[in-house]
Amino acid sequence: EADIYQTPRYLVIGTGKKITLECSQTMGHDKMYWYQQDPGMELHLIHYSYGVNSTEKGDLSSESTVSRIRTEHFPLTLESARPSHTSQYLCASSERGGVVEKLFFGSGTQLSVL
Amino acid sequence: QKEVEQNSGPLSVPEGAIASLNCTYSDRGSQSFFWYRQYSGKSPELIMFIYSNGDKEDGRFTAQLNKASQYVSLLIRDSQPSDSATYLCAVNQAGTALIFGKGTTLSVSS
Repeated sequence: EADIYQTPRYLVIGTGKKITLECSQTMGHDKMYWYQQDPGMELHLIHYSYGVNSTEKGDLSSESTVSRIRTEHFPLTLESARPSHTSQYLCASSERGGVVEKLFFGSGTQLSVL
Repeated sequence: QKEVEQNSGPLSVPEGAIASLNCTYSDRGSQSFFWYRQYSGKSPELIMFIYSNGDKEDGRFTAQLNKASQYVSLLIRDSQPSDSATYLCAVNQAGTALIFGKGTTLSVSS
């Protein structure tokens, strides 16, 4: 089983609040990702990192930011939450290199913004 | 825009039957192909990957890849009720992030 952890598992907050979703992995993986998934819909890549001090935006426009100061930690921050941010946020990691890149997912954070 | 297309289903099969899940992709440069299983309310888990044309078997699962037709499929033999889930197809090129399809919901009735 993959060792990638997300907290909190569920979060209900009011509009305008600043929140940080935590993601940590103990596998020493260089690559980490944040995906957003609404019910019955595909996963949308919102941010990714290929290593320490490396962050990139994904395909989905997002008002969130990420940081990668340590290999094992990849937090996602929303400066001002809105109801449109209500969704499931999934963190994943993978090993660098090779043709086949296997993603391991955390349990996800279900965010509800009221 | 790179796309991965799947029939959303639901695909309903009786227990013991073969379930066939299909996926097409738009980017001819795609090199690796993955099938993830996602139970309701859970995160995706990798069940199969393939990168060469042809078939790859792992237990009850067989992945099939046809790069010329830009088509990848997953066969589940002897389907069980525990196989009921959403199956996500994902593709990528080396060094790039995975692109996921919307998934196909499979329902196996006992």
